Amino acid sequence: GENVEQHPSTLSVQEGDSAVIKCTYSDSASNYFPWYKQELGKGPQLIIDIRSNVGEKKDQRIAVTLNKTAKHFSLHITETQPEDSAVYFCAASGDYGGSQGNLIFGKGTKLSVKP
Amino acid sequence: KAGVTQTPRYLIKTRGQQVTLSCSPISGHRSVSWYQQTPGQGLQFLFEYFSETQRNKGNFPGRFSGRQFSNSRSEMNVSTLELGDSALYLCASSLKRSTDTQYFGPGTRLTVL
Repeated sequence: GENVEQHPSTLSVQEGDSAVIKCTYSDSASNYFPWYKQELGKGPQLIIDIRSNVGEKKDQRIAVTLNKTAKHFSLHITETQPEDSAVYFCAASGDYGGSQGNLIFGKGTKLSVKP
Repeated sequence: KAGVTQTPRYLIKTRGQQVTLSCSPISGHRSVSWYQQTPGQGLQFLFEYFSETQRNKGNFPGRFSGRQFSNSRSEMNVSTLELGDSALYLCASSLKRSTDTQYFGPGTRLTVL
């Protein structure tokens, strides 16, 4: 089945710096790649997503890139702020034959932004 | 538009008991998926319901079950609770199918003693 690897597991940056989180997936049938932010005591919140017919998507300080050939996608956060501190999860989904559409998550990256 | 709501938010049970968790999706959303989140295993898919039918199931034992009602609200049930069932149970709703964007609720924190 699909497997999503996420790196790094922890990331510490200074306020104002950029942060990059990378994920790789194994199943070429994956065609949807969302990123979620989870703060303590809350459920995951969708921050950006990309589908396989698009190579890059940007929303203010957040961008996601997708390389289908290499089977990897990345989250870029620019001008980081302390409120960006959280755990970030990448995920993949697609039509995997008998199991359609459920999200396969990476293990998460704990991002700490130091003021 | 109101988000996904889950009740209760916290539960404490003892081994061998059973538990029922409830999820109300975003208005108009017809697909509800359930996930288990633990520190060791991360986020794992349990099952998905659409139009009152289970459409997809993850690799969990039969003690984990669910259902969906005609108003799209969903419940999941865990019978014969084990210590390892302690986790955050998350519900996500999407418009028509789980390949649409999924929006998560705050979760139910289950502790099994």
